[in-house]
Amino acid sequence: AQSVTQPDIHITVSEGASLELRCNYSYGATPYLFWYVQSPGQGLQLLLKYFSGDTLVQGIKGFEAEFKRSQSSFNLRKPSVHWSDAAEYFCAVGLSGGGADGLTFGKGTHLIIQP
Amino acid sequence: GAGVSQSPSNKVTEKGKDVELRCDPISGHTALYWYRQSLGQGLEFLIYFQGNSAPDKSGLPSDRFSAERTGGSVSTLTIQRTQQEDSAVYLCASSLMAGNGYTFGSGTRLTVV
Repeated sequence: AQSVTQPDIHITVSEGASLELRCNYSYGATPYLFWYVQSPGQGLQLLLKYFSGDTLVQGIKGFEAEFKRSQSSFNLRKPSVHWSDAAEYFCAVGLSGGGADGLTFGKGTHLIIQP
Repeated sequence: GAGVSQSPSNKVTEKGKDVELRCDPISGHTALYWYRQSLGQGLEFLIYFQGNSAPDKSGLPSDRFSAERTGGSVSTLTIQRTQQEDSAVYLCASSLMAGNGYTFGSGTRLTVV
C-alpha cells in the first residue's frame, strides 16, 4: 500500500528565511504528487502538482517543489517566507492523480513563522 | 458556483442520530470526492464520484455511511446512528476530471455528543 511521510510535525522559521518541508513516499510506481496548504478553519488549497516532465515544479504563492525519484521525495521549498505562510502543509500522492483511488495524504507539517 | 460549497459548516448531533452533509461542487466538475479529517487519522479518502456513479464504496468507514450524487452535481454524505468516533471534519472536493488536482470546500465540522 502507498504511504506518505512528512517527518516534521512542526517547523518554526523566521520571517524572510528560506523554507523546506520534507515529503517521502512509498509507492509501486511514480505517482502523481501534490502539495496542499490548509489555513485554520479552511479547506485545503492546492499549491502545486507533479505528474511528469520537469522535476522542479512551480506553484502558487512563490512555492516550488522538486521530485527526486532516487530518494522517493517531493520536498516543498520557498526562498523567503511571509507571516501569511503560517499554516498546515500536506503532501499527497495518488496513482491516478486522485481519481477512483483517491489521494493518500501525509499527516501534515505545521509551519510557524517567527517575526 | 465559484468554489466548492459545503453545508452545514458545523453540526453538533447526539449519539445515535442520523446526519446529512451536503456538498455543492464547482459547476461543470464531473469528479467529486469526500474525505474525512480527524486528529488521530489525518485525512482519509472516503469515496469518489464520476458523474453520479461511485465505482468503489470500500473507503466508507462502515455501513452506517452512505453517499449519493444526483444530477452530476450536489452530493450528500449520510451517517446513520452516529457514534462519537464519527466526530471529524468532512471535506468535499471536486475536479474537472480525475487526476487534475482538487478544489476543496471548507468542510463540515461534525461533533457527536
